[in-house]
Amino acid sequence: GENVEQHPSTLSVQEGDSAVIKCTYSDSASNYFPWYKQELGKRPQLIIDIRSNVGEKKDQRIAVTLNKTAKHFSLHITETQPEDSAVYFCAASKGNTGKLIFGQGTTLQVKP
Amino acid sequence: GAVVSQHPSRVICKSGTSVKIECRSLDFQATTMFWYRQFPKQSLMLMATSNEGSKATYEQGVEKDKFLINHASLTLSTLTVTSAHPEDSSFYICSAWGAGGLNTEAFFGQGTRLTVV
Repeated sequence: GENVEQHPSTLSVQEGDSAVIKCTYSDSASNYFPWYKQELGKRPQLIIDIRSNVGEKKDQRIAVTLNKTAKHFSLHITETQPEDSAVYFCAASKGNTGKLIFGQGTTLQVKP
Repeated sequence: GAVVSQHPSRVICKSGTSVKIECRSLDFQATTMFWYRQFPKQSLMLMATSNEGSKATYEQGVEKDKFLINHASLTLSTLTVTSAHPEDSSFYICSAWGAGGLNTEAFFGQGTRLTVV
């Protein structure tokens, strides 16, 4: 089955700096790659997603890139703010099933 | 976006008892829902796929007789943790895939914090 690896497990940046989180997946049939932000005790919140028919997607300070050949995708957050501090998860899914396999998570700390 | 409601949000039960968690899609029909478990400071682990009108599909290592899933209608899936033990204490979250189209997304319930004492 699908396996998703996420790095780093923790990331600390200064406010205003950029943050990059990387994920690799094993199943070449996967075609949907969402990124979630989760605050303690809350449900995951979708922040951006990408499908395999595109290589990059951007939404204001957040962007995601996908390299299908290498089977990896990355989350880029620019001009980080303290409120960006949270746990971020990548996930992968195939077909149009909604069955998500999650990465291990990255705890992002943005220092004021 | 679509709304998925999960209840209860918190439950404390005694060892050996059973607990039922409900997951409802409020404004769309979900033929498939998913159940995840999340231990503290860990990721969401897929437990099972809940299929309306048929048996659930469990991931490897998940005991189907312990985690009973019933998807009785297009808007409701339930997870029953039977004979709960302290090691079952966790955060349980359901999700439903949005209705129709190829550009939909997963919608998550609020999660249920289960504590077995």
